[in-house]
Amino acid sequence: ETGVTQSPTHLIKTRGQQVTLRCSSQSGHNTVSWYQQALGQGPQFIFQYYREEENGRGNFPPRFSGLQFPNYSSELNVNALELDDSALYLCASSEPGQGARYGYTFGSGTRLTVV
Amino acid sequence: QQQVKQSPQSLIVQKGGIPIINCAYENTAFDYFPWYQQFPGKGPALLIAIRPDVSEKKEGRFTISFNKSAKQFSLHIMDSQPGDSATYFCAAPHGTASKLTFGTGTRLQVTL
Repeated sequence: ETGVTQSPTHLIKTRGQQVTLRCSSQSGHNTVSWYQQALGQGPQFIFQYYREEENGRGNFPPRFSGLQFPNYSSELNVNALELDDSALYLCASSEPGQGARYGYTFGSGTRLTVV
Repeated sequence: QQQVKQSPQSLIVQKGGIPIINCAYENTAFDYFPWYQQFPGKGPALLIAIRPDVSEKKEGRFTISFNKSAKQFSLHIMDSQPGDSATYFCAAPHGTASKLTFGTGTRLQVTL
């Protein structure tokens, strides 16, 4: 299967709840990054995973956490949801050693709404 | 701290026109400048990119112009088509994680 697949596509949660978003990276890509895109804004880097370990983090609080699995798929977990967490969450994968310099492949994202 | 400033926020051009989107950066450590195109309901897709040792790069109807001394770069879309209507983001990668710092985006509408 080619491309980056994210699930679910849409999600509505209540403030204070916890959420898990999932990502299957493109075949052959072992690096996964997560971005948050608020409405009308550019994506903001959350963190990156390489070989199942966090490999860099943006300015997001610890309640944002992640995992990468041996098959390179990944999860983004957000605890104690706040209204400002409402956004499109994008997963991006890249080839070994390429990273952002040669182009991520982005998924279509998960639209999270916190009410 | 916004490290990549993008303008305009939105742009409307007629078919065949040449929209120009500008970006300015502050961090001289940036060494690669990609542009991403995003359609509604989709993730961003790499469109074209340039390195700072090159002043211009063309790929099809898309051209990047780069001014290193001014720390600015711009995207030109020649003979724009309605199918080019999308949001365009400039970006710059940096750091060991090669994270991308994106501009705020330009929403382009190409009318008939």
